This record gives sequence, C-alpha cells and structure tokens, in this order.
Amino acid sequence: GAVVSQHPSRVICKSGTSVKIECRSLDFQATTMFWYRQFPKQSLMLMATSNEGSKATYEQGVEKDKFLINHASLTLSTLTVTSAHPEDSSFYICSAGWGTGNTIYFGEGSWLTVV
Amino acid sequence: AQSVAQPEDQVNVAEGNPLTVKCTYSVSGNPYLFWYVQYPNRGLQFLLKYITGDNLVKGSYGFEAEFNKSQTSFHLKKPSALVSDSALYFCAVIFNTDKLIFGTGTRLQVFP
Repeated sequence: GAVVSQHPSRVICKSGTSVKIECRSLDFQATTMFWYRQFPKQSLMLMATSNEGSKATYEQGVEKDKFLINHASLTLSTLTVTSAHPEDSSFYICSAGWGTGNTIYFGEGSWLTVV
Repeated sequence: AQSVAQPEDQVNVAEGNPLTVKCTYSVSGNPYLFWYVQYPNRGLQFLLKYITGDNLVKGSYGFEAEFNKSQTSFHLKKPSALVSDSALYFCAVIFNTDKLIFGTGTRLQVFP
C-alpha cells in the first residue's frame, strides 16, 4: 500500500530555534498534503493544507508565520516551526492522498519537544 | 457544520467478545467515512473506508463497519476482540477534497 514517511520521528530543540519536519509520499504523487497536530490524549487538529506549487491554506487560529509549510514537489512537504516555544511541543502528523475518495495515508508522526 | 462524534471516550471489552466503537456524523451530501487506529506514540493506520456501495465495509485486522444513512452512523465492529486490538480509534469524514475531519477518538481496552 501507499506509504507516507515523516522525518524526524523525534526532535528536541531549544526555545527560539527553528525545526523542520519532512513529509514524503514514497510511492505516489501527492498534490495535497495535510499537517495535523495532536496533543496528548486528544484528537488530531488540522493545521494546514499543503498545496504543491502554491501557498498553504491554514486553518483558523494557526499562525502561518510560525508554522511555515513548503510543498516544493509532488512527494515532499515540509513543516518548519519557527522560533519554537515550549508550548509548541506536540506530536505532528502529516497525511497525503491522491484524490477525493481515495484512502488517505498518514506518516508515523514527529514528536517535537522544545526545551 | 460538518462534524464527527465519537460518544465514548473509552470502550472496555473482554478478549474474545464482540466489540463496537461508535461513530456518528453530520455532513451535508454523501459522506466519505474512514476509520483509523493509532497505537501509542505512532501515526495513524488506515482500517477501512466507506465511499459508496455496500453498507457493510470490511477492513484490516478483521474489523468491519456499517454505514447507516438513516441513523447517520458508521460504527466500527469486530466479532472477537484481541488484546492486541487495544489502541486509540478515530472515525473521520472527508469534507471538501481530502480534508479529513476527525472525531475525538475512542480508546479501546481489551482485557485478557
């Protein structure tokens, strides 16, 4: 089946620094990818829709200058958390599909800890 | 507004017994419905989906779900639970292209 890969799986960074998380579709081309955030014991919150070759679409309440999304190719989207703060610590998950109604696959997630 | 509800935070069941994890939805038009499972500290794994056709959908690991349009439900079921089924289960609906809206999740605990 289709596979979506995320890297890194775990990252620790200092407050004020930036960290980049990659999401790759390994065996299909994804014109759209999605970034979610999950707090402990909570559901997934959609942060933004990553569109290949154009600007990402952010959900209400998500700071686009803080969570930079780049979708430079049909197989790669990146989420950069800029000027990270401890409250940004969370589990970030990406997903990708290739058309409405087709299965949407998720990456394994990335744990971000800001110290 | 488009939404998905999972009314139970946790479901407890003994191994070998049937299990049901409930999901109801509110979507205008014809919904695309999904079930995903999440093991601790892991991403989401696809279990099954309903797009159209037969209301009973069979998925991975022996799970199945029945789409009930009149009750706007898509409950996840398995005839005989395993301890290894213990995990967090999410129901989701597609809203506008591939944008998934998730329920709050139900933790399934299967006791030996």
